[in-house]
Amino acid sequence: AQTIHQWPVAEIKAVGSPLSLGCTIKGKSSPNLYWYWQATGGTLQQLFYSITVGQVESVVQLNLSASRPKDDQFILSTEKLLLSHSGFYLCAWRQYRDWGIYAEQFFGPGTRLTVL
Amino acid sequence: TQTVSQSDAHVTVFEGDSVELRCNYSYGGSIYLSWYIQHHGHGLQFLLKYYSGNPVVQGVNGFEAEFSKSDSSFHLRKASVHWSDSAVYFCAVSGYAQGLTFGLGTRVSVFP
Repeated sequence: AQTIHQWPVAEIKAVGSPLSLGCTIKGKSSPNLYWYWQATGGTLQQLFYSITVGQVESVVQLNLSASRPKDDQFILSTEKLLLSHSGFYLCAWRQYRDWGIYAEQFFGPGTRLTVL
Repeated sequence: TQTVSQSDAHVTVFEGDSVELRCNYSYGGSIYLSWYIQHHGHGLQFLLKYYSGNPVVQGVNGFEAEFSKSDSSFHLRKASVHWSDSAVYFCAVSGYAQGLTFGLGTRVSVFP
């Protein structure tokens, strides 16, 4: 069975401090990986996606960056946090399919970030 | 550009009632639609999806949704809700490989 793990569960950080959030998927090889951000009480916004190791595409610019150092790992980071970075960060994976065949995304438990 | 509209921000129902959550979309390519549920403070759980074939799709826990190309809609329904169905429901649209574009969500409150 596939499992998706996010760390940490929650973070409280100061404005201007660095951040690193992680996501690991076990039990699937070469998944598509995604990062989403959700403001408190709001909808989800896609931040990044990755189809393969070492390759990451940015969807929105929020002064964040992402990397995929291993097939099963996706990292979200920034050198300097802003108040607007507060929210819920969700990692998701989707199994690669042949063109024209869509597969559902599965989400991790999320990391709640509070920036003070 | 793909957009998703969920017209109801909050729906209140009683246990045993039926419920329909509305979703309208706009997207220029091959369409992939899905519904997710989010219980308070948790990640999203997949309910069901549509990308071709029978426009009525069945999901988990008695949920079903109906796709209509003419109305650009993908409404979610359940015949008899349970208190555990209280959550926020998100409709989403996607192209291939890209991530999901979500609607604003509909909060469902089920009362006994």
